[in-house]
Amino acid sequence: KAGVTQTPRYLIKTRGQQVTLSCSPISGHRSVSWYQQTPGQGLQFLFEYFSETQRNKGNFPGRFSGRQFSNSRSEMNVSTLELGDSALYLCASSLASTSYEQYFGPGTRLTVT
Amino acid sequence: GQNIDQPTEMTATEGAIVQINCTYQTSGFNGLFWYQQHAGEAPTFLSYNVLDGLEEKGRFSSFLSRSKGYSYLLLKELQMKDSASYLCAPMDSNYQLIWGAGTKLIIKP
Repeated sequence: KAGVTQTPRYLIKTRGQQVTLSCSPISGHRSVSWYQQTPGQGLQFLFEYFSETQRNKGNFPGRFSGRQFSNSRSEMNVSTLELGDSALYLCASSLASTSYEQYFGPGTRLTVT
Repeated sequence: GQNIDQPTEMTATEGAIVQINCTYQTSGFNGLFWYQQHAGEAPTFLSYNVLDGLEEKGRFSSFLSRSKGYSYLLLKELQMKDSASYLCAPMDSNYQLIWGAGTKLIIKP
């Protein structure tokens, strides 16, 4: 069974631009969660999607948004990028919710200059 | 507020035993996860505790005390490949995982 895939793996953007990251969950998994990881900060929860609906949201500004498609693939968008948005963005999928074991993708390393 | 406390870094010797502690304060509680993350890689699931007590899984065991807001991960017969960060993540009343910053474990020969 293929694992969670994320594209692109690396991205360099400049301040003010916007970016879209993509995540394909494990086949059969309906829950997709997004996290931001920075050194020393641990994983910061962005949002969780289930059956195309946002079920949970973390404490991030409205510049961060996401969506999920009918095939459970998910995208995350960050508008008006700031230097502080430089981080590893991880996507995780699980069968039904975050109360199940989550399988993480390799992440997208975003650098904002 | 919600808070997770884990040691930032620990060092242990190959073949030894190490215990990584985690204390937490969350709004409600629906279990606690431990994940392992090697440098440059994604986290992988280790254990899930929802009831008090010890759960053993091979060389790894995880303990939970809900009344004390406390958990630990016990690693036995340490191997060099156990060098990684270990993330404690309790789940709050909204079934949202609250992640600690992780404990970086360094194994020395």
